Amino acid sequence: ETGVTQTPRHLVMGMTNKKSLKCEQHLGHNAMYWYKQSAKKPLELMFVYSLEERVENNSVPSRFSPECPNSSHLFLHLHTLQPEDSALYLCASSRTGWPSNNQPQHFGDGTRLSIL
Amino acid sequence: DAKTTQPNSMESNEEEPVHLPCNHSTISGTDYIHWYRQLPSQGPEYVIHGLTSNVNNRMASLAIAEDRKSSTLILHRATLRDAAVYYCILSRYGGSQGNLIFGKGTKLSVKP
Repeated sequence: ETGVTQTPRHLVMGMTNKKSLKCEQHLGHNAMYWYKQSAKKPLELMFVYSLEERVENNSVPSRFSPECPNSSHLFLHLHTLQPEDSALYLCASSRTGWPSNNQPQHFGDGTRLSIL
Repeated sequence: DAKTTQPNSMESNEEEPVHLPCNHSTISGTDYIHWYRQLPSQGPEYVIHGLTSNVNNRMASLAIAEDRKSSTLILHRATLRDAAVYYCILSRYGGSQGNLIFGKGTKLSVKP
């Protein structure tokens, strides 16, 4: 139990569907992150939120839309995805966020997304 | 951002110590050295981090070279549950891509 919960664990969707990934952290942290892990590629940072403000958008296509309504919840809204977007999407949190660099990040177990 | 170099894979025997090396020759003075591991079908798990001095916690020890251009993660007694991909990461204050930039890591196999 990492204190970071992601739902759903698995998601299959068509390219025209709209869905959302949810992340909740129970650690009292102030920063939250979305990462993408594709097969045989390193983890890629997508978005960083610090105190509910987006501080980093790592050149992610607009078909991915993050939302952070409060410091405990993070969403990733998906629409019109492509087959190459099939991947494991990981959420993480840390006590403080960017630009601080000395805080461990706590990861959820991810949502396995498959685009048909 | 500074990069790290790790062996692609390593093998260990159960209950023996494991030393996982990492080279980071372009490290800057304010870069922290982080280690994470990822077990199959799970998200990455924080292991340990440090700046200049060696660090110990319940999971592992981190030995940092005096010039900080390399470090070693030490698992004192490997168990089967330690089989995972281990990532050595440099975290830069205000880094252009957030903080953690994951590489390919070292896949550790533990033999019974």
